[in-house]
Amino acid sequence: RKEVEQDPGPFNVPEGATVAFNCTYSNSASQSFFWYRQDCRKEPKLLMSVYSSGNEDGRFTAQLNRASQYISLLIRDSKLSDSATYLCVVNIDNFGNEKLTFGTGTRLTIIP
Amino acid sequence: GAGVSQTPSNKVTEKGKYVELRCDPISGHTALYWYRQSLGQGPEFLIYFQGTGAADDSGLPNDRFFAVRPEGSVSTLKIQRTERGDSAVYLCASSSRGGAGYEQYFGPGTRLTVT
Repeated sequence: RKEVEQDPGPFNVPEGATVAFNCTYSNSASQSFFWYRQDCRKEPKLLMSVYSSGNEDGRFTAQLNRASQYISLLIRDSKLSDSATYLCVVNIDNFGNEKLTFGTGTRLTIIP
Repeated sequence: GAGVSQTPSNKVTEKGKYVELRCDPISGHTALYWYRQSLGQGPEFLIYFQGTGAADDSGLPNDRFFAVRPEGSVSTLKIQRTERGDSAVYLCASSSRGGAGYEQYFGPGTRLTVT
């Protein structure tokens, strides 16, 4: 089983729609959770951290469910500029291990 | 300020050759990470430096891969006897200090192609 699993998509969504991605992680010792965004042939960039209480940043809402070991990202009122690959990322901070573990990414295309 | 820079941006080499990939982290960042990203996959951890020392090299696939950071700033990833399976984008990231929750800033990557 992969440490971080995501539906690779692609998700093709009309502009203005709401879209949600889920991600599951296997290691219950995982400490920190993130969503990164990666544009085609570019480096990943942090979109938002995910906190246990859930957090919102404009049109983006992230939630964490530790009991079920899944993370979600909700994008409201989607824009053409939201087209990208969204990477679910987990930091398994066992014994000072600082590495990020990435999912394969979910590809999103917003259609005009 | 300047972000993470990596050179070269593209490298084409023949199977069996030696390559060096360079990473310049954000000034003052003590933690530096190398990842490898194959097509259609997320980045995969290779090695993590805290200062000059490799704190975790568990992701290096085999002993053909080696990385150094002699002065705690610039890092070089070295690959000996390259194989076609080494073809990927090699990403470097840095953060102000290692630790869960500290944002890692990625460089643009070096696209390595082994022919």
